[in-house]
Amino acid sequence: DAEITQSPRHKITETGRQVTLACHQTWNHNNMFWYRQDLGHGLRLIHYSYGVQDTNKGEVSDGYSVSRSNTEDLPLTLESAASSQTSVYFCASRAGRGSPLHFGNGTRLTVT
Amino acid sequence: GENVEQHPSTLSVQEGDSAVIKCTYSDSASNYFPWYKQELGKGPQLIIDIRSNVGEKKDQRIAVTLNKTAKHFSLHITETQPEDSAVYFCAASRRSGGGADGLTFGKGTHLIIQP
Repeated sequence: DAEITQSPRHKITETGRQVTLACHQTWNHNNMFWYRQDLGHGLRLIHYSYGVQDTNKGEVSDGYSVSRSNTEDLPLTLESAASSQTSVYFCASRAGRGSPLHFGNGTRLTVT
Repeated sequence: GENVEQHPSTLSVQEGDSAVIKCTYSDSASNYFPWYKQELGKGPQLIIDIRSNVGEKKDQRIAVTLNKTAKHFSLHITETQPEDSAVYFCAASRRSGGGADGLTFGKGTHLIIQP
């Protein structure tokens, strides 16, 4: 079965370090998204991509970057981790606008 | 941009009773309204969705209603069971128009089914 996989599931890092969270989907979906989930804020969009070599900023993109070198993967990089980036991060994909969004099981990131 | 308000933040119901979660949205151009269920330690999973050309949609014990004029939509769960306990999120799609895409989510409702 097709799926979307995030790794690692848990990560602890120190302030100032660069961190990359992986996201891999096997649906061959063009659209991929990164969200963060925080208590009291729900899910907020960080970055998204409509296809290979395409990336776009979401509402909370500061301090994050993504790259899309193939259809299956959209890694999320925190250039210099900050305590405010402690959160649960979800990757998602969909075939196109208006199609169901499929989520991974998340990465819990703690920045100390 | 789109703004989605969701109420209540916590809902406790007796097993077997019905549960209703309500959402309002601000962008009249939104045309796709999914509902997601999130269990502990997992990502949100789509349980039902509705498009703006439909007023109601049912899937077994779950139904969603949409009032485009009032810009609100609701999730109805009948004959609730313990496995319905989870956090539920509503969402609305925004018109792209050069801005950010994806869905705008409500802040979630923690549904607790009391035995």
